[in-house]
Amino acid sequence: AQKITQTQPGMFVQEKEAVTLDCTYDTSDQSYGLFWYKQPSSGEMIFLIYQGSYDEQNATEGRYSLNFQKARKSANLVISASQLGDSAMYFCAMRAKYTGGFKTIFGAGTRLFVKA
Amino acid sequence: DTGVSQNPRHKITKRGQNVTFRCDPISEHNRLYWYRQTLGQGPEFLTYFQNEAQLEKSRLLSDRFSAERPKGSFSTLEIQRTEQGDSAMYLCASSSDWNEDEQFFGPGTRLTVL
Repeated sequence: AQKITQTQPGMFVQEKEAVTLDCTYDTSDQSYGLFWYKQPSSGEMIFLIYQGSYDEQNATEGRYSLNFQKARKSANLVISASQLGDSAMYFCAMRAKYTGGFKTIFGAGTRLFVKA
Repeated sequence: DTGVSQNPRHKITKRGQNVTFRCDPISEHNRLYWYRQTLGQGPEFLTYFQNEAQLEKSRLLSDRFSAERPKGSFSTLEIQRTEQGDSAMYLCASSSDWNEDEQFFGPGTRLTVL
């Protein structure tokens, strides 16, 4: 079975500080992709970052980086220098390329609050 | 506008009625996905199209649900005999063949079944 677990329902961070949002996953597939999406209160899902299971380097996109620890099956999102506009829901997701077909599964999300 | 669009944005219907939603993907994207998102949860995969072919359906997609993509461009999702449990946000996403992992989402259609 494939599963994404986000154990932090809500997180607070002070503006300009870094924050880590946790994500663990479970799959028996050797080839998979891990994603993070942002969902502001307006509702649209915004793609942030992608990590392939065979990628040796941690993915980075601007202020976002993905701390990929394959042995621990974790894919934490690190947001550096938090901004007020980062306040949103954040979803970790996975697609297992062989056993999962075309299906992407999402975690329950973490709501991030950035304090001024 | 080059993003994914969905219509309508909001739909209120009475239990037992049929509803249909439309998704227009990014024009060069061959891959199209439908998801359902209930309050406080992440999106749940419903179905996937590659061009006009529906290649995968979730068990969540009961026989009251049907999706089509007749010409490989826009897609429709129909729910027959709606139930209150169908109330949710229905999201559409698309991706390209050369970057299949980056899905671009539309704004969603929020369905309320009374």
